[in-house]
Amino acid sequence: GAGVSQSPRYKVTKRGQDVALRCDPISGHVSLYWYRQALGQGPEFLTYFNYEAQQDKSGLPNDRFSAERPEGSISTLTIQRTEQRDSAMYRCASSSRLGGSNEQFFGPGTRLTVL
Amino acid sequence: GNSVTQMEGPVTLSEEAFLTINCTYTATGYPSLFWYVQYPGEGLQLLLKATKADDKGSNKGFEATYRKETTSFHLEKGSVQVSDSAVYFCAFYSNTGNQFYFGTGTSLTVIP
Repeated sequence: GAGVSQSPRYKVTKRGQDVALRCDPISGHVSLYWYRQALGQGPEFLTYFNYEAQQDKSGLPNDRFSAERPEGSISTLTIQRTEQRDSAMYRCASSSRLGGSNEQFFGPGTRLTVL
Repeated sequence: GNSVTQMEGPVTLSEEAFLTINCTYTATGYPSLFWYVQYPGEGLQLLLKATKADDKGSNKGFEATYRKETTSFHLEKGSVQVSDSAVYFCAFYSNTGNQFYFGTGTSLTVIP
């Protein structure tokens, strides 16, 4: 597609359930980033990939959060045993070149609500 | 630690007014600096960037200059339009941490 896409756009789940959020980056983009954005706040870094390799996962809040990008394209962010505090907008971004000084193209985000 | 501090909003201006949104950063090394914009109902888009000291980024009439001595990257526009109404995020990329750091965002509303 022309831009970064994310699915689902909205997800409502009950506490304790697992959720999987998908990011489809711009074709050919080598780097992919995940962010979490609380209401009224800026995006907060979670993790990123260069190709299929996860480079940094220091931003993941705890071990309930994990991410993968097995073929260097589509990525999935998984949250296990969701809690109400996980409710936020989850944003994905991709970049055509390695190195963070290059422009990141953001997807529309997935708004997660945990009841 | 690394952080971004930007002017709190919301900011309301009349059309053709001068805009300044202040942004300062705390970072190790020599970060690249960015302004991103989020229009209503849309995702974040890069507005402008500067990668080294004294560089000026510019786009769509907006400008920001990388001031290393004051660790600032203030966003300015001489004459705002209604279509500039959006949330503006200041951010930097730290080479030492390989991460992006965003400010909390400043909401701008321009009224006719």
